[in-house]
Amino acid sequence: DIRMTQSPSTLSASVGDRVTITCRASQSVSKWLAWYQQKPGEAPKLLIYEASKLKNGVPSRFSGSGSGTEFTLTISSLQPDDLGTYYCQHYSNYRTFGQGTKVEIK
Amino acid sequence: EVQLVESGGGLVQPGRSLRLSCAASGFNIDQYGLNWVRQRPGRGLEWVAHISWNSNAIVYADSVKGRFTISRDNAKNSMYLQMNSLRPEDTAFYYCTKDPVGTGDWYFDLWGRGTLVSVSS
Repeated sequence: DIRMTQSPSTLSASVGDRVTITCRASQSVSKWLAWYQQKPGEAPKLLIYEASKLKNGVPSRFSGSGSGTEFTLTISSLQPDDLGTYYCQHYSNYRTFGQGTKVEIK
Repeated sequence: EVQLVESGGGLVQPGRSLRLSCAASGFNIDQYGLNWVRQRPGRGLEWVAHISWNSNAIVYADSVKGRFTISRDNAKNSMYLQMNSLRPEDTAFYYCTKDPVGTGDWYFDLWGRGTLVSVSS
């Protein structure tokens, strides 16, 4: 099974900061990677698919990059509404999630 | 409004069974693969099971294989999860999710709000 490892597990940043979350796969998943946002008490929502494609309606401050085994999710200017936990998920062969990165606002 | 709504969760004793349902509205499910994804309290996400648009492809996570059965009824625009021989470690929120296409491994482009299953004596 392909294992997904996110870092950091928790990050605390100020409004307006640039935030980067990393997701590493135990073997290549090509471009088959998605990112989700889960706000407290809510279901996850898709942000990005195919490593870098933004879902319709997702704010442009979110972006994704990477291929193979290393991927990043970037929030260019952190907003209060971005509080929550972010998960990566590969869909190369079966589907596995990373353990999540909790984003807190300072 | 395009949405998925889960139902059927609750408190159940270890070893017993429970059946979850997922009703879609605002779109027809007959073109899409569907899945169950669960989240143990305070924990991360775990994909549980997938069923293709025509039910020809069904896949389970090792953790539930042989105990859970996924099914769908396209005429009723619904999907189901029959959970047997439940264990305390099956305690979780269970989310119904939709794929962007009919079969294969994909991302989840629509999620329901979830239903809580608690397994305890």
